[in-house]
Amino acid sequence: GAGVSQSPRYKVAKRGQDVALRCDPISGHVSLFWYQQALGQGPEFLTYFQNEAQLDKSGLPSDRFFAERPEGSVSTLKIQRTQQEDSAVYLCASSSYREVGHGYTFGSGTRLTVV
Amino acid sequence: ILNVEQSPQSLHVQEGDSTNFTCSFPSSNFYALHWYRWETAKSPEALFVMTLNGDEKKKGRISATLNTKEGYSYLYIKGSQPEDSATYLCAFSSRAQKLVFGQGTRLTINP
Repeated sequence: GAGVSQSPRYKVAKRGQDVALRCDPISGHVSLFWYQQALGQGPEFLTYFQNEAQLDKSGLPSDRFFAERPEGSVSTLKIQRTQQEDSAVYLCASSSYREVGHGYTFGSGTRLTVV
Repeated sequence: ILNVEQSPQSLHVQEGDSTNFTCSFPSSNFYALHWYRWETAKSPEALFVMTLNGDEKKKGRISATLNTKEGYSYLYIKGSQPEDSATYLCAFSSRAQKLVFGQGTRLTINP
């Protein structure tokens, strides 16, 4: 596609519910990132894939967070047993480069509200 | 812990005026400094990626400078227009493939 597509755009989850957030990167982009933006903060790194390999998951806040990119294209971020502190905008970004120093293309994000 | 600070947090500017804001970042292990513009309900849009000390980049009325020795970057907007209203994010990267963002500067242009 022309850009990075994320779905759903908005998600309201009851505390304790599992959620799955989807990211469709630009076709052919090898690098894919997930970021979490809490209200009033800048985006914070969660995890990074190069093709299907998850090379860095140091930013995942707990073992309730899990990300996958099984075929090196679409990625899913799953949050189990959601808590109120998980409420945030989840941004996905992709890049055609493996190296740092190049701009990323971001999606519009998924706004998750846990009630 | 890497810390990226942006100031001011918010800014109101009269249409037609010029403005600037600051991003400070660690001067060690520097690899690149990114600027993004994020309009409400849209995707963050890449403005600049700068890697060299002394870099200056320009895109229309927006320009940016980089000082890696002292760890700061300035973003300038000349002749502000209402469509410039957005949150401007800077992000630092070392050689690791991840960005460390500041909290953003929310810019509002008053017509």
